Amino acid sequence: KQEVTQIPAALSVPEGENLVLNCSFTDSAIYNLQWFRQDPGKGLTSLLLIQSSQREQTSGRLNASLDKSSGRSTLYIAASQPGDSATYLCAVGAQKLVFGQGTRLTINP
Amino acid sequence: DAGITQSPRHKVTETGTPVTLRCHQTENHRYMYWYRQDPGHGLRLIHYSYGVKDTDKGEVSDGYSVSRSKTEDFLLTLESATSSQTSVYFCAISPGQGTTDTQYFGPGTRLTVL
Repeated sequence: KQEVTQIPAALSVPEGENLVLNCSFTDSAIYNLQWFRQDPGKGLTSLLLIQSSQREQTSGRLNASLDKSSGRSTLYIAASQPGDSATYLCAVGAQKLVFGQGTRLTINP
Repeated sequence: DAGITQSPRHKVTETGTPVTLRCHQTENHRYMYWYRQDPGHGLRLIHYSYGVKDTDKGEVSDGYSVSRSKTEDFLLTLESATSSQTSVYFCAISPGQGTTDTQYFGPGTRLTVL
């Protein structure tokens, strides 16, 4: 059974810092890995999707990497801003996604 | 934003009563999903649909049933609600173009079972 873990559960950093969020999974036979953002009381918004054959994806200040052999993905956020404060979730799979519990990120002005 | 609406957005009900949650999409996407989100468990898949009248179970399907009679609507039914089904329920959709689909989520329904 696939299990997805995100550590730490919460992270607080000052504005302007570069930061890395971590995601690990137990079964390397994955189709895709996705990163989502969730604001309080809202649904999820897809940020990046990495196909199993890819090593990374970039969108603006976000860069996600995938290392299937070690069962890990990282989400790099450059020059963090208060508006980046949210919970970030990773999920693996194709249609039947398995989610981690998320990292609650706070960017302090 | 993807055209996904969920109704109701909030509901309080009593143990043993039937409850139906509705997900409506305007994107004509093939796949629709129901998840529940709970503290300590994250999001877990309940059921999903890969076409009209085509559904399959997810990780936590016990106590739930679904129906999809039209492309745009996916219903989640709790036949006899229990307190353990208190949760936030999210609907999601994806185009169904292959294994690289992104899922788009609705705003959620907060259900409280007393």
